[in-house]
Amino acid sequence: DGGITQSPKYLFRKEGQNVTLSCEQNLNHDAMYWYRQDPGQGLRLIYYSQIVNDFQKGDIAEGYSVSREKKESFPLTVTSAQKNPTAFYLCASSIDLIRRLGQETQYFGPGTRLLVL
Amino acid sequence: LAKTTQPISMDSYEGQEVNITCSHNNIATNDYITWYQQFPSQGPRFIIQGYKTKVTNEVASLFIPADRKSSTLSLPRVSLSDTAVYYCLVGDINGNDMRFGAGTRLTVKP
Repeated sequence: DGGITQSPKYLFRKEGQNVTLSCEQNLNHDAMYWYRQDPGQGLRLIYYSQIVNDFQKGDIAEGYSVSREKKESFPLTVTSAQKNPTAFYLCASSIDLIRRLGQETQYFGPGTRLLVL
Repeated sequence: LAKTTQPISMDSYEGQEVNITCSHNNIATNDYITWYQQFPSQGPRFIIQGYKTKVTNEVASLFIPADRKSSTLSLPRVSLSDTAVYYCLVGDINGNDMRFGAGTRLTVKP
């Protein structure tokens, strides 16, 4: 089946520890995104990537890092610099053919809930 | 960036039609309007997308007036399972700056 997978579903982080959240898609999408959602809040953009080996900061990139070595994968690392990492993290992808199709739809993964011990 | 404004919450009853309006006063010429639905602890799910006038699919209708400064998501005959948060997004031509607002929490009551 085509889609986006995220792992793990739940992740626990100790103080001062870096943790990496996985996001994989087999939709052949060029663009991928990471969002953070806090309880009762909307999604906030952390990082996005429009093409392999290129990514851009979103609204709340501090304390996070990403890589895009493969088209299918866009892992997010929550570093020790992120002082309030407890949240629900969502990965998304899109075709990114805005100029040709005139529209863009994002497809979302099931999310990873990160908790701090 | 085209920001969006939606009501924080709405209540409805089963079988009613629900209309959720989103304001996007500074929408750009090339921007599209997209609505998503999100259940707790799940990723958002695409509902409908439009540019102008009216768009209808098997789930909902989207009404966009001529000035495109607002849009209305219409859910016909809602059921309890439609209880969710609904997000309105406006995306620019590059697709880089689509932003989620806080969304509208719809509660459908029996």
